[in-house]
Amino acid sequence: KNQVEQSPQSLIILEGKNCTLQCNYTVSPFSNLRWYKQDTGRGPVSLTIMTFSENTKSNGRYTATLDADTKQSSLHITASQLSDSASYICVVSDRGSTLGRLYFGRGTQLTVWP
Amino acid sequence: EADIYQTPRYLVIGTGKKITLECSQTMGHDKMYWYQQDPGMELHLIHYSYGVNSTEKGDLSSESTVSRIRTEHFPLTLESARPSHTSQYLCASGGQSSYEQYFGPGTRLTVT
Repeated sequence: KNQVEQSPQSLIILEGKNCTLQCNYTVSPFSNLRWYKQDTGRGPVSLTIMTFSENTKSNGRYTATLDADTKQSSLHITASQLSDSASYICVVSDRGSTLGRLYFGRGTQLTVWP
Repeated sequence: EADIYQTPRYLVIGTGKKITLECSQTMGHDKMYWYQQDPGMELHLIHYSYGVNSTEKGDLSSESTVSRIRTEHFPLTLESARPSHTSQYLCASGGQSSYEQYFGPGTRLTVT
């Protein structure tokens, strides 16, 4: 069964600190992995997208890594800001259909305190 | 920021009412999607479309229906709302050659 598991479920950090969020998946055949940021009451916004051949990608203070062999990804946030408080969702796409079906994790709820 | 819009943003409605959630995108994307999301849970695909006059049901069974008469417009309709329909509904779109899906801001539906 294709699944995406994220950890931790929730995380509280102080402003200025770094943190790392984890994503494990069993989706096969793998096409790409995306990290989205979803603010409360808003739609998800894409942070990074990685294909099979990419093992790291950065977007400002966000750096995602991908290990396609172990089927793991991480999202590292550097020098956190209050505006980073949001849910971070790992999404994996398969190659098995024209639609490129997406499998969503439940997200990690990050809270940044001043 | 993606040009995809949803209205209304919030809706509180009584049981048995018919409602239509609007979704529009100005990017000329062929693919459009509707997702349902409960608090703290993952998004579930309920409908998608490859293009005009194409609609398909997603993974999660839904009593809603959709239509795709114009490329830019993908409305979702509930003929008779029930409290079990209370949820957040997210619309998304994507181009043919793009891995990306761009999400709208969502509609928070509450059925009393």
